[in-house]
Amino acid sequence: SQTIHQWPATLVQPVGSPLSLECTVEGTSNPNLYWYRQAAGRGLQLLFYSVGIGQISSEVPQNLSASRPQDRQFILSSKKLLLSDSGFYLCAWKGMGTGVEKLFFGSGTQLSVL
Amino acid sequence: QKEVEQNSGPLSVPEGAIASLNCTYSDRGSQSFFWYRQYSGKSPELIMFIYSNGDKEDGRFTAQLNKASQYVSLLIRDSQPSDSATYLCAVNSGGTSYGKLTFGQGTILTVHP
Repeated sequence: SQTIHQWPATLVQPVGSPLSLECTVEGTSNPNLYWYRQAAGRGLQLLFYSVGIGQISSEVPQNLSASRPQDRQFILSSKKLLLSDSGFYLCAWKGMGTGVEKLFFGSGTQLSVL
Repeated sequence: QKEVEQNSGPLSVPEGAIASLNCTYSDRGSQSFFWYRQYSGKSPELIMFIYSNGDKEDGRFTAQLNKASQYVSLLIRDSQPSDSATYLCAVNSGGTSYGKLTFGQGTILTVHP
């Protein structure tokens, strides 16, 4: 069965510091991968998605970037964090079932920028 | 701008009652609809999906879809305190197959004993 791993679970970083969040998927090949952010009191916002190695699409212009160096690895980065980057970051992959594409989430990273 | 609207609540129901959660969406091309449950501090968990008009039942959960009215709902029968969570409505619009879901802000449900 497919599983998605995301780490770390929590992170406290000072403003201006770099960021690297990693996500890996097991049990599937060539998955579509996504990074979402959930800010306090707001809904889930799609940040980036990737359909393959080296292929990244950005949904919202911001202080973050994403990379996909391997088929089942997706990384979210920042060179200098802002206070507004605080939030709950979720990696997700797309699976199929009963003819409908579905999104499954990792356990998330709670990022606090101070 | 494709939008998904939910009443943020909180919705409070007694144990054993039916909880009714509602969602409207703006994009008439939307093709599939999802309900996620999210406990505080945890990631969203898919509990229901629907893509045809009408009702779809799974255990205590029933999803209802009315594409003409651009409305989707989730009914939870025999509500339990463990159902207390935020429920997120999500919509996958047509024209793309990349799983780019648009989420509502979520409805907080509290089931009190």
